Amino acid sequence: GAGVSQSPSNKVTEKGKDVELRCDPISGHTALYWYRQSLGQGLEFLIYFQGNSAPDKSGLPSDRFSAERTGGSVSTLTIQRTQQEDSAVYLCASSLRAGVYDEQFFGPGTRLTVL
Amino acid sequence: QKEVEQNSGPLSVPEGAIASLNCTYSDRGSQSFFWYRQYSGKSPELIMSIYSNGDKEDGRFTAQLNKASQYVSLLIRDSQPSDSATYLCAVNMWGSYIPTFGRGTSLIVHP
Repeated sequence: GAGVSQSPSNKVTEKGKDVELRCDPISGHTALYWYRQSLGQGLEFLIYFQGNSAPDKSGLPSDRFSAERTGGSVSTLTIQRTQQEDSAVYLCASSLRAGVYDEQFFGPGTRLTVL
Repeated sequence: QKEVEQNSGPLSVPEGAIASLNCTYSDRGSQSFFWYRQYSGKSPELIMSIYSNGDKEDGRFTAQLNKASQYVSLLIRDSQPSDSATYLCAVNMWGSYIPTFGRGTSLIVHP
């Protein structure tokens, strides 16, 4: 079946603009995660959703970042008033559940460049 | 601070050799361990997971887990140039559903 999809694949924006990044998880997966990866850096956890439970927002770096997940499926990550340090690849992953043994499958990512 | 440590490399091996990638973790209560491969400019791709002490084999890949020593390894037999990538170790610490990722080891397999 289809894997995790993300759009857009690339986004170039000007400093101060808002951006929305979209993630469509694997069908039937209840857990969804957002990460970001800066050039040459590791994966930085941002936020995770499990079913209809309140999301774990502990990784969001500032209140300019927010995310929602509608109908337990598609998720949108919004960055307001973008800054140059927000430039990174934003990765979405999903897993069947949010259990310790559940494997995560990543989407292709959105490369965000803030000029 | 719960951590997952990997040597950044690069680890350079000749084609056909065994590549050994290591990962150590700080939380003794960690329960599940994952290896991902990430080609340059691409997203991480799951290679395999391991949960119990010992070896787990899948094709040319073998994951080895030693919970007493708090390390997990990935062996790649008969390494190919196409194996050249960054390998990420991820660990689910006790009580967490959010895996902690290491920063990855860069592997170069030269012909």
